[in-house]
Amino acid sequence: DSGVTQTPKHLITATGQRVTLRCSPRSGDLSVYWYQQSLDQGLQFLIQYYNGEERAKGNILERFSAQQFPDLHSELNLSSLELGDSALYFCASSVTRGGTEAFFGQGTRLTVV
Amino acid sequence: GNSVTQMEGPVTLSEEAFLTINCTYTATGYPSLFWYVQYPGEGLQLLLKATKADDKGSNKGFEATYRKETTSFHLEKGSVQVSDSAVYFCALSASLTQGGSEKLVFGKGTKLTVNP
Repeated sequence: DSGVTQTPKHLITATGQRVTLRCSPRSGDLSVYWYQQSLDQGLQFLIQYYNGEERAKGNILERFSAQQFPDLHSELNLSSLELGDSALYFCASSVTRGGTEAFFGQGTRLTVV
Repeated sequence: GNSVTQMEGPVTLSEEAFLTINCTYTATGYPSLFWYVQYPGEGLQLLLKATKADDKGSNKGFEATYRKETTSFHLEKGSVQVSDSAVYFCALSASLTQGGSEKLVFGKGTKLTVNP
């Protein structure tokens, strides 16, 4: 158990809908990262938050957004969903801004039908 | 930009065989290097890491040495077990600026299957 909790584990939704994925980092970790894992693209970095502030953006679509709350949990919002958004979404956390090991959650498997 | 290149898989070995998974990287500055493992149906787990040149990371019989001269971080294990069957990801973390983000950049992953 990495200490990073992601909910829900599985999500099935229709095209055009909006979903929210939730991540609780390890106790004491200030950084939260979101990654998308798909068969064709591999592991793609989406976005990072550090202590409530956005630190870095990767290949995140404009239809996607995220935030980190004062209690340090984070949410990833995906809207106007398309079939191609079906993937595993991982959250990871680390103590610092980065450069040290990151601990990954079990992921949320999103299926868009 | 920073990038990681891993050998293409899948790799299939018999139990007790020697394993090498190649990984090379491109990075500006002084990256830290990692190997993560993903077992079926699970998230990624850190397997080992090295933070500076010539460091050797090791864990569970796996080893990798940070080679700055060849920009490589190859993963090795002398005798694999069926339980080592998983997907292995090489990754680096590097920042260009003080206080900048040091997000992990991953290779595409190498699937290892070990047969009894």
